[in-house]
Amino acid sequence: EPEVTQTPSHQVTQMGQEVILRCVPISNHLYFYWYRQILGQKVEFLVSFYNNEISEKSEIFDDQFSVERPDGSNFTLKIRSTKLEDSAMYFCASDRPSYEQYFGPGTRLTVT
Amino acid sequence: EDKVVQSPLSLVVHEGDTVTLNCSYEVTNFRSLLWYKQEKKAPTFLFMLTSSGIEKKSGRLSSILDKKELFSILNITATQTGDSAVYLCAVRLSSARQLTFGSGTQLTVLP
Repeated sequence: EPEVTQTPSHQVTQMGQEVILRCVPISNHLYFYWYRQILGQKVEFLVSFYNNEISEKSEIFDDQFSVERPDGSNFTLKIRSTKLEDSAMYFCASDRPSYEQYFGPGTRLTVT
Repeated sequence: EDKVVQSPLSLVVHEGDTVTLNCSYEVTNFRSLLWYKQEKKAPTFLFMLTSSGIEKKSGRLSSILDKKELFSILNITATQTGDSAVYLCAVRLSSARQLTFGSGTQLTVLP
């Protein structure tokens, strides 16, 4: 069964450093998403991406965040200057019209 | 503001029990409601509901949506220890594709 994959599974970084989280969505999916889940809290939407551009973004997705689809398979989330409060589990998801979203296993980001 | 509320927040049962998890929502432009199971990491898809009154079933799990009263329930019969997880409810709007999640229900099934 096809699945969304994410790398790395765990990333530890120092405050102020840049991180790039990587995702490979399911190959025939057209819409891509990033969500985050701070420990003990709800899953929160960050950004959606379609046709090589951002289609929706939340208030959380400020100027320190960016997304990119650098080639035909990868979908990345970059955080330019990490803060302690960016520590969370980051989930990538993908879907196609009228179907459910599939989530990847997540990247646990720890900012120290 | 769009809101998805799940209850109870946590539930402890014994194997063989039947459980009912609740999800209510207040959103603009409702399109569909989804249930996910989250064990250790990624939410895994269970059901997507778009129409009122039509039960979706998969083995011991079933779910139904009431669009008039704005809620859904997830039933699990004959629970097993492997059903222990956080069950997430999420709503998708007609106007946007992203999901708005509830806080989840932590289900613990004891042997």
